Amino acid sequence: GAVVSQHPSRVICKSGTSVKIECRSLDFQATTMFWYRQFPKQSLMLMATSNEGSKATYEQGVEKDKFLINHASLTLSTLTVTSAHPEDSSFYICSARDSTTELFFGSGTQLSVL
Amino acid sequence: SQKIEQNSEALNIQEGKTATLTCNYTNYSPAYLQWYRQDPGRGPVFLLLIRENEKEKRKERLKVTFDTTLKQSLFHITASQPADSATYLCALTNYGGATNKLIFGTGTLLAVQP
Repeated sequence: GAVVSQHPSRVICKSGTSVKIECRSLDFQATTMFWYRQFPKQSLMLMATSNEGSKATYEQGVEKDKFLINHASLTLSTLTVTSAHPEDSSFYICSARDSTTELFFGSGTQLSVL
Repeated sequence: SQKIEQNSEALNIQEGKTATLTCNYTNYSPAYLQWYRQDPGRGPVFLLLIRENEKEKRKERLKVTFDTTLKQSLFHITASQPADSATYLCALTNYGGATNKLIFGTGTLLAVQP
């Protein structure tokens, strides 16, 4: 199946710094990618839909100025957590869809903000 | 309110038995429903998709049923193995979800004992 690469897999940062997470579709083009966050023992919560060449669509309650999404090419979307705080510590996962209905997920990024 | 509920308790079964996981939804009209496997610290991996006009889908040791009257999907793993131990997530796409936006259930942790 298609492969979605997410980097980094783990990041520890100080409060107030910004962190960028990359999501790449390796062997297919993705006009749409999705960003989720997951707290321990909870399910994935959709944060935003990333559209190539246009602005991301954010879910209700997700601060767009806090979580900046850029989808500059058909194979790359980035999520930047700006001025991170301890409450932003979470597991962030991206996904992308190829030409089928199947979604492929990245391996996730564990963000820990000290 | 809209809900997707899965067994919150972990499911412990003996190797070789059939595991049955439940996904119930409220106030959704899913176009299709999917099941994913998630291992700790990893992104979900797609297993099966079933459409609203399908009753049952099979793939090797896996079987999914979809009852739109009961608003329920059942996920079965036959001849279970310790390697099947993971969290299993159901996810649905509501009618009108033009970007195949997935809404996830809470997940059920399956533990297969040798």
